[in-house]
Amino acid sequence: AQSVTQLGSHVSVSEGALVLLRCNYSSSVPPYLFWYVQYPNQGLQLLLKYTTGATLVKGINGFEAEFKKSETSFHLTKPSAHMSDAAEYFCAVSVGTSGSRLTFGEGTQLTVNP
Amino acid sequence: ETGVTQTPRHLVMGMTNKKSLKCEQHLGHNAMYWYKQSAKKPLELMFVYNFKEQTENNSVPSRFSPECPNSSHLFLHLHTLQPEDSALYLCASSQVAASGDYEQYFGPGTRLTVT
Repeated sequence: AQSVTQLGSHVSVSEGALVLLRCNYSSSVPPYLFWYVQYPNQGLQLLLKYTTGATLVKGINGFEAEFKKSETSFHLTKPSAHMSDAAEYFCAVSVGTSGSRLTFGEGTQLTVNP
Repeated sequence: ETGVTQTPRHLVMGMTNKKSLKCEQHLGHNAMYWYKQSAKKPLELMFVYNFKEQTENNSVPSRFSPECPNSSHLFLHLHTLQPEDSALYLCASSQVAASGDYEQYFGPGTRLTVT
């Protein structure tokens, strides 16, 4: 079975500062990894995903994440935070086999201060 | 309409009422999901349908009854709910493939309040 741990349920940054949201996973087979964002009163929107190939993946809104197998991590970063980035972010893992499901982390609430 | 739509967006119901939530996906996917999102709790997978067949029921109380008449539509029928059932109910869809790329697309959710 797979699992996801998001370190820090709340992260606060200043506008223009680096955003770093941490995600570690546990999986017995090569994982597929996802980051989703949820704005207030909305559903989850896919930011980016890693399946195979290049370990640095770029997503929408200037976000990117790097798959590090040795560290079992998939941290989400953005060089310069914008006020509109304030939202909740979810990391998710799938093990890519028939019948597999997405397992979500508990989410990280990102606050961006002016 | 594009993506995944859900109606209604907001619902207030008494404990003795019967109501239904509707989800429709316009992406040509073959799997649909119901999730419950409560404050300060992780996202909970409730039901999964692959090719209109229910393949997963994660110990959901019988007061929640799903229905999937075709691969584009998913309903959640509600009856005799409890106040603790108040939450955001999210519908999602995906294209199930042998590659296992189970990227899911979510609707905006229905905010349910049980009084």
